[in-house]
Amino acid sequence: GQQLNQSPQSMFIQEGEDVSMNCTSSSIFNTWLWYKQDPGEGPVLLIALYKAGELTSNGRLTAQFGITRKDSFLNISASIPSDVGIYFCAGQLGHAGNMLTFGGGTRLMVKP
Amino acid sequence: KAGVTQTPRYLIKTRGQQVTLSCSPISGHRSVSWYQQTPGQGLQFLFEYFSETQRNKGNFPGRFSGRQFSNSRSEMNVSTLELGDSALYLCASSFTMDNSPLHFGNGTRLTVT
Repeated sequence: GQQLNQSPQSMFIQEGEDVSMNCTSSSIFNTWLWYKQDPGEGPVLLIALYKAGELTSNGRLTAQFGITRKDSFLNISASIPSDVGIYFCAGQLGHAGNMLTFGGGTRLMVKP
Repeated sequence: KAGVTQTPRYLIKTRGQQVTLSCSPISGHRSVSWYQQTPGQGLQFLFEYFSETQRNKGNFPGRFSGRQFSNSRSEMNVSTLELGDSALYLCASSFTMDNSPLHFGNGTRLTVT
């Protein structure tokens, strides 16, 4: 099925470094969401973006909704070991349902 | 506030059998969606229910079905199981029908042997 193009696929960084990941699509979305999934658990919502150009922060996380509505990025500042996990972007059209189209995920590993 | 609850957490079935998975949404949430997660295909949308009606359906065969009850709880059923149905099945709930962020449960890990 359709997936968003999410990059990088994996990252291995030093604790304290900043992290950036992004998602692109050939289609327009009205909402972009970022989730984090830990082993054995379901995805947890980190940030939801509703407006093109919107920049939203949640603690050390910052995400932006691209102006073309076809892309989004997520930044994590000053990474810590508990940031380890898989990060997923998801696009939502927002009309006639809440269906999400997901990216392939970015696996983040943090070296203490 | 309790999150999305899925039961059972783990399930092992044999090819040809059928299985029913259960999901209780966050209190007050009326929309329930189901997703299949596999290493090869990632997270794939199965279907979405709102007010006991299926509103959207993903590209899965008819062996995959679901329903929603008047209390918003939902079940999904897979008949005639195949090895390829082995996956993590995730349920998500949201407050309204449109443009509402989804909150996921921890999933049911189904293994088909």
